[in-house]
Amino acid sequence: QSVLTQPPSASGTPGQRVTISCSGSSSNIGSHTVNWYQQLPGTAPKLLIYTNNQRPSGVPDRFSGSKSGTSASLAISGLQSEDEADYYCAAWDDSLNGNVFGTGTKVTVL
Amino acid sequence: QVQLQESGPGLVKPSETLSLTCTVSGYSISTGYYWGWIRQPPGKGLEWIGSIYHHGSTYHNPSLKSRVTISVDTSTNQFSLELSSVTAADTAVYYCARHESSDYYDSSGYSRNNWFDPWGQGTLVSVSS
Repeated sequence: QSVLTQPPSASGTPGQRVTISCSGSSSNIGSHTVNWYQQLPGTAPKLLIYTNNQRPSGVPDRFSGSKSGTSASLAISGLQSEDEADYYCAAWDDSLNGNVFGTGTKVTVL
Repeated sequence: QVQLQESGPGLVKPSETLSLTCTVSGYSISTGYYWGWIRQPPGKGLEWIGSIYHHGSTYHNPSLKSRVTISVDTSTNQFSLELSSVTAADTAVYYCARHESSDYYDSSGYSRNNWFDPWGQGTLVSVSS
């Protein structure tokens, strides 16, 4: 069972800004960096954001990450149809002594 | 660029052992990094299984620890997963990935950097008699 909580779904029209939250605790987000993954339908997850707000090469700057306390957020600005996917947050967890993933959020482009 | 590819049986009988291998190309495992396994039951979220460092030290998800064995073979540039006593609940797509796990310091002090990149395409393993 995931210890990082995300809303099950989010949606927006093309061009809109969508924000996804990720709620954790002091043993994970409160103490360690947060990462985000994008999983397009039928494909493997892809690293989208690392170390709270860094984008790997090739990831559009429409995607941005932030962290405050025991929560983190992923923002998608200028939403596009190809952004329709599942998004997962993740972090190290001291209680687990390992990696934890969020529950996942399905983004729908209306 | 670094590429990973999972391989192994797509069907395992209940109570038997699931065995998968991840072949890495474009990067020598012996150079560094951790190497991890993650799974995703059909229609559900991601679950980290465990990871291994190139010299063999491992750590696992406590919920699976007693059933998991992860090993590395630097001569073939592969690492492997064994999951014993499987049940239908172990039916999932199994992914291997390179695992960055390192100390990170900023103005807030110490934290752990921890991410998976890149990932293999995944392989579906079904547990059924």
